Amino acid sequence: RKEVEQDPGPFNVPEGATVAFNCTYSNSASQSFFWYRQDCRKEPKLLMSVYSSGNEDGRFTAQLNRASQYISLLIRDSKLSDSATYLCVVPMVATNKLIFGTGTLLAVQP
Amino acid sequence: EAQVTQNPRYLITVTGKKLTVTCSQNMNHEYMSWYRQDPGLGLRQIYYSMNVEVTDKGDVPEGYKVSRKEKRNFPLILESPSPNQTSLYFCATSPQGDYGYTFGSGTRLTVV
Repeated sequence: RKEVEQDPGPFNVPEGATVAFNCTYSNSASQSFFWYRQDCRKEPKLLMSVYSSGNEDGRFTAQLNRASQYISLLIRDSKLSDSATYLCVVPMVATNKLIFGTGTLLAVQP
Repeated sequence: EAQVTQNPRYLITVTGKKLTVTCSQNMNHEYMSWYRQDPGLGLRQIYYSMNVEVTDKGDVPEGYKVSRKEKRNFPLILESPSPNQTSLYFCATSPQGDYGYTFGSGTRLTVV
C-alpha cells in the first residue's frame, strides 16, 4: 500500500458544484495533515492544515477520519479559479519527510 | 515579505557540468528541504535539513549534494548532472517538521 494515495481524477465539475476528494494514508501514527493546491508548473501552496478532526475555511472543509485513515477535502460552490491539482500531504515526523500524494486534478467548467 | 527564493528559475545544461541551485529564505525557519517533481511520480524528497550543519538524505539523494552553513541558505548541488536529473525542483521551508511548508517558485532543469 502506498503511504499516501489519492484519486488522480480528473474531476470535471460545473461552476457552483460541490466536489470532494479523498486521501488515504498508511501510517496510523501520523498527527498532522495538509492539503496543498498546485497550479500547472507552479509551486504547491498550502491550502489547509488538519491537526484534529477537521478544519473549515470559507468554501473549503477538510475532515480527518483517524479510524479509517483518510482525509477529505470538500469544496463548495466551485469557482473556475479552483481549477488546479490538489495534493494531500502527510508529514512523517520521525523522518522529517513530507509524503505527497500524486494529486487530484480538478477542472471546473463554466 | 516572507519568501523562499530559488535561482535560477530555468536552466538548460549539459551532462557532467557541475551546477548549483540556490535557495534562500527570510522567515528564520529551521527546516529546509529539496524536492523534485516528475510526471506520474509526484513530489519526492531529495535532502532535508533540520538546522545549520544538520542535513540528511530523503528518498532520492543519489547524484545530489546539499549544505547548510547558514540558516537562511540551502543550496542543491549537482556535481555531475545526468539526463535523468531533468526535473522540476522545489525548495521548501518550515518552522517545524510537522508544520506547513512554504515552497519556492521552482527550478526547471533540463540536462542534455
